[in-house]
Amino acid sequence: QLQESGPGLVKPSETLSLTCTVSGDSIRSTSYFWGWIRQPPGKGLEWIGDIFFSGTTSYNPSLKSRVTMSVDTSKNQFSLRLTSVSAADASLYYCARRLSGAYDHWGLGTLVTVSS
Amino acid sequence: EMVMTQSPATLSVSPGERVTLSCRASQSISINLAWYQQRPGQAPRLLIHGASTRATGIPARFIGSGSGTEFTLTITSLQSEDFAVYYCQFYNNWPPERTFGQGTRLEIK
Repeated sequence: QLQESGPGLVKPSETLSLTCTVSGDSIRSTSYFWGWIRQPPGKGLEWIGDIFFSGTTSYNPSLKSRVTMSVDTSKNQFSLRLTSVSAADASLYYCARRLSGAYDHWGLGTLVTVSS
Repeated sequence: EMVMTQSPATLSVSPGERVTLSCRASQSISINLAWYQQRPGQAPRLLIHGASTRATGIPARFIGSGSGTEFTLTITSLQSEDFAVYYCQFYNNWPPERTFGQGTRLEIK
């Protein structure tokens, strides 16, 4: 099970920070990567990035300059930071578990609004 | 940059019917393709990976096929719970890329 948490409101130009808590599974598993995907209201899905428990990351090139993902194995959590947000970053943010390329378990999502 | 194109954007069908959704890749992707179902207000659910392998617990009426650039998801005998949005997704290890199609909405006729 995955659960996203973090502020639902971020000001323009500030940094969005979200955490995903994994339960029922070890984030240290060598079988999985852990990812973030977002979905603007009423629109499609956009991949943000993935992280392995060792800290190895891969990011969407269109977001790479603003994205940092990290993992805290002691808390069985991984996190997302997105800097310099704008209205275009307002979305439902999902965390998910990746197995062999596809995301087989998803969190419920957390809605992030960007507004001053 | 890989582009995944799904067609049609919306499909109106009746319960019990058979339906086929299409996904086309802008370049050959072998079988590195997944299909997801997203019901209103819910997170996406993995249906198919490796173009044709059903995920755990997915009913046999969901059938994925294709390779290269052309892929289909067929749902035989539509159930009421199948009316949702379906997304295809390309995935690649290197360079890392996970591109979603824009989705096909399946609605009740």
